[in-house]
Amino acid sequence: ETGVTQTPRHLVMGMTNKKSLKCEQHLGHNAMYWYKQSAKKPLELMFVYNFKEQTENNSVPSRFSPECPNSSHLFLHLHTLQPEDSALYLCASSQAHNEQFFGPGTRLTVL
Amino acid sequence: AQTVTQSQPEMSVQEAETVTLSCTYDTSESDYYLFWYKQPPSRQMILVIRQEAYKQQNATENRFSVNFQKAAKSFSLKISDSQLGDAAMYFCAYKTGTYKYIFGTGTRLKVLA
Repeated sequence: ETGVTQTPRHLVMGMTNKKSLKCEQHLGHNAMYWYKQSAKKPLELMFVYNFKEQTENNSVPSRFSPECPNSSHLFLHLHTLQPEDSALYLCASSQAHNEQFFGPGTRLTVL
Repeated sequence: AQTVTQSQPEMSVQEAETVTLSCTYDTSESDYYLFWYKQPPSRQMILVIRQEAYKQQNATENRFSVNFQKAAKSFSLKISDSQLGDAAMYFCAYKTGTYKYIFGTGTRLKVLA
């Protein structure tokens, strides 16, 4: 595997379910990001991790819980989501001031 | 707060022609980075071009070039000799600090054969 990978690619869950999104980067980068992409809205930065330490949390509801066990892996734990949380969730990584590399995303549908 | 504005939700261009996508941003900082990203229908976002604010020279990558006007806070993307594979959503992004990126709402580019 190369670049940034995300699993699953598609996820359908009920409001009472608990699920997790996984992101892995094979680029040796030190920073990893979660974004939410909804139609006709700018990408919303959710969380940033630098060397496993969270450096940004953009007022994300607590039903989204990130985890970064090492600089190559990033998780987004989901519980008691709402239908408006349905979106494409993108993971990205970067090294210092260089550009971000994005994964293919997880298309999440909350019923 | 920094903002990025892409005023063209959708653009069309004839194959082999040139098209310019607009982006403006608002910031009080003097040192920052600007990016154009492309998101094809398969959804994986890829970098098209980047510009460091301290560089006066406009960045160029093959058929892609930017017109960076720092005083006007404008960062437009020019695509020359448009190809069918250029059809995608294009996002303008501003980077402040080390890890904070701000994206615009995107412009959907259609390339007509």
